[in-house]
Amino acid sequence: GAGVSQTPSNKVTEKGKYVELRCDPISGHTALYWYRQSLGQGPEFLIYFQGTGAADDSGLPNDRFFAVRPEGSVSTLKIQRTERGDSAVYLCASSMQGTGELFFGEGSRLTVL
Amino acid sequence: QKEVEQDPGPLSVPEGAIVSLNCTYSNSAFQYFMWYRQYSRKGPELLMYTYSSGNKEDGRFTAQVDKSSKYISLFIRDSQPSDSATYLCAMTDDKIIFGKGTRLHILP
Repeated sequence: GAGVSQTPSNKVTEKGKYVELRCDPISGHTALYWYRQSLGQGPEFLIYFQGTGAADDSGLPNDRFFAVRPEGSVSTLKIQRTERGDSAVYLCASSMQGTGELFFGEGSRLTVL
Repeated sequence: QKEVEQDPGPLSVPEGAIVSLNCTYSNSAFQYFMWYRQYSRKGPELLMYTYSSGNKEDGRFTAQVDKSSKYISLFIRDSQPSDSATYLCAMTDDKIIFGKGTRLHILP
């Protein structure tokens, strides 16, 4: 497909478990963003990549959260020792370098029991 | 004070009315301003993208930016029930920051 693809679409896990969320951006888009969206809130910035490197990771809430993009395409958001407060929709977006025109995926809905 | 302020609504208007949605911001370094539309359980989609102060029109949508007042608006003319969604303002100097979103209901 031509759009941003995120997997899984839904993930239910138990408190304390490890979770990985995957994002496959639009081909050729050099910038990739991760956001977190809670019910009734706007997307909250977590991290963005230009190519393989994290250009800005100031939104990651603590050291339990980590993201990688080893080949400059697919990215994985990793959450260790999940907490109930981590429950949210995790949105991935990509864009051509230097534009604010983000193309979002459908999101991964994470529920921590 | 949050960087971007947006009234969450909900805002209910009759079909055919003109809708006005607004955001204020505090960071004068913001250069690019955007409006996104988000339907329930979907990712946001870009509606309008502007750089400078002034107006930009696209069909029934007009985006307005006033950098001196740090205030941006989105107007929707001839509103339709299919316009019912959450509208998010966003702005950037480097990373992209979103408002909380305004829930809009167009009543048939």
